[in-house]
Amino acid sequence: SQQGEEDPQALSIQEGENATMNCSYKTSINNLQWYRQNSGRGLVHLILIRSNEREKHSGRLRVTLDTSKKSSSLLITASRAADTASYFCANAGGTSYGKLTFGQGTILTVHP
Amino acid sequence: SQTIHQWPATLVQPVGSPLSLECTVEGTSNPNLYWYRQAAGRGLQLLFYSVGIGQISSEVPQNLSASRPQDRQFILSSKKLLLSDSGFYLCAWSVTRAGVAEQFFGPGTRLTVL
Repeated sequence: SQQGEEDPQALSIQEGENATMNCSYKTSINNLQWYRQNSGRGLVHLILIRSNEREKHSGRLRVTLDTSKKSSSLLITASRAADTASYFCANAGGTSYGKLTFGQGTILTVHP
Repeated sequence: SQTIHQWPATLVQPVGSPLSLECTVEGTSNPNLYWYRQAAGRGLQLLFYSVGIGQISSEVPQNLSASRPQDRQFILSSKKLLLSDSGFYLCAWSVTRAGVAEQFFGPGTRLTVL
């Protein structure tokens, strides 16, 4: 079953604006990961934040994690049209086989 | 470097026909392997995972089966396809390091059952 909900389900912004996507999860985590999917393609790993971390940066990406609220957010700064894609958070519950539970995703559209 | 291959890229099959989707990984050994299905506009549903040759775990009861005949080969099968089997099928691999495993996805197979 799917756990985790991203909101908003869809986000439409102009190039140069920041995009913030949120993710909530239900079970305890070992780490939480964000993935990107271009239309009709496989997923690409963006960033991973461990359960003992609160914030992490990678280029124009900033991820925060609030384990007390069981939520995470992904911020893309200075968005570009090429950032248009679906973004998914995935909860890694710490199993030995690396199982991930994905949310439903946020569809981001960046208009040039 | 590691690469993951999936084929075919697209497939149109009649109801009741068999299915075989193949996934192979290069450049790593003893990976964990996964099959996901993604319905249109939705998130990913984990179907099967494997931690080694011949070891398959199913996440949801369904019309599909999986096999891992070799370390880096993962096959998704069905004896008789249903309309509800249509979707986008993704294979992924991971290796756990320091308790953390990110997954690497193949390009996917779009299956349409008519």
